[in-house]
Amino acid sequence: GEDVEQSLFLSVREGDSSVINCTYTDSSSTYLYWYKQEPGAGLQLLTYIFSNMDMKQDQRLTVLLNKKDKHLSLRIADTQTGDSAIYFCAEKLVSSASKIIFGSGTRLSIRP
Amino acid sequence: GAVVSQHPSWVICKSGTSVKIECRSLDFQATTMFWYRQFPKQSLMLMATSNEGSKATYEQGVEKDKFLINHASLTLSTLTVTSAHPEDSSFYICSASGQTGTYEQYFGPGTRLTVT
Repeated sequence: GEDVEQSLFLSVREGDSSVINCTYTDSSSTYLYWYKQEPGAGLQLLTYIFSNMDMKQDQRLTVLLNKKDKHLSLRIADTQTGDSAIYFCAEKLVSSASKIIFGSGTRLSIRP
Repeated sequence: GAVVSQHPSWVICKSGTSVKIECRSLDFQATTMFWYRQFPKQSLMLMATSNEGSKATYEQGVEKDKFLINHASLTLSTLTVTSAHPEDSSFYICSASGQTGTYEQYFGPGTRLTVT
């Protein structure tokens, strides 16, 4: 089946690293994504990783993919107050007309 | 990246009326468009997938007669919520894809619908 799961909340201190985790069930995924959504706004694509990659780094963002365990994580280094948002993990399925399945979203809050 | 717009950005309508939401790809041809709805503090739920010139494919549990989708051109898809009820109040987001086999899927800013 198609299912993407995330923990609902994460609270970190400003300046620390944030790690948001995600698990998925469909092994036919081609791309896996991390989106950011600020209150009342649409989705912003933060980064993506192709399913044959293990890691991708882009400035403060590091994505790790463990395909065997179907586990994806997003690490945000030096977390800032502007990083407060909901982060969605998503996977694109090769088996279903390229539709993207979203996780429930993780609400990241930053404490001073 | 490519730009997808939605209009209107928010709308308030009375129960029983119909509302049309437009999704446009501004600088690319979108062969496929997707419509999602998002309830407060919840994830995006895919409603339907539409390909230009053909009927939309609806996800299980989504009423096709209530949520009419038209993808008449490569740059425009519309979602019409017919006979809207308060439970249809939600954030509706479209996305567009121009090429298969790539990662790109561009999201619109969303339309907030409130039915009174």
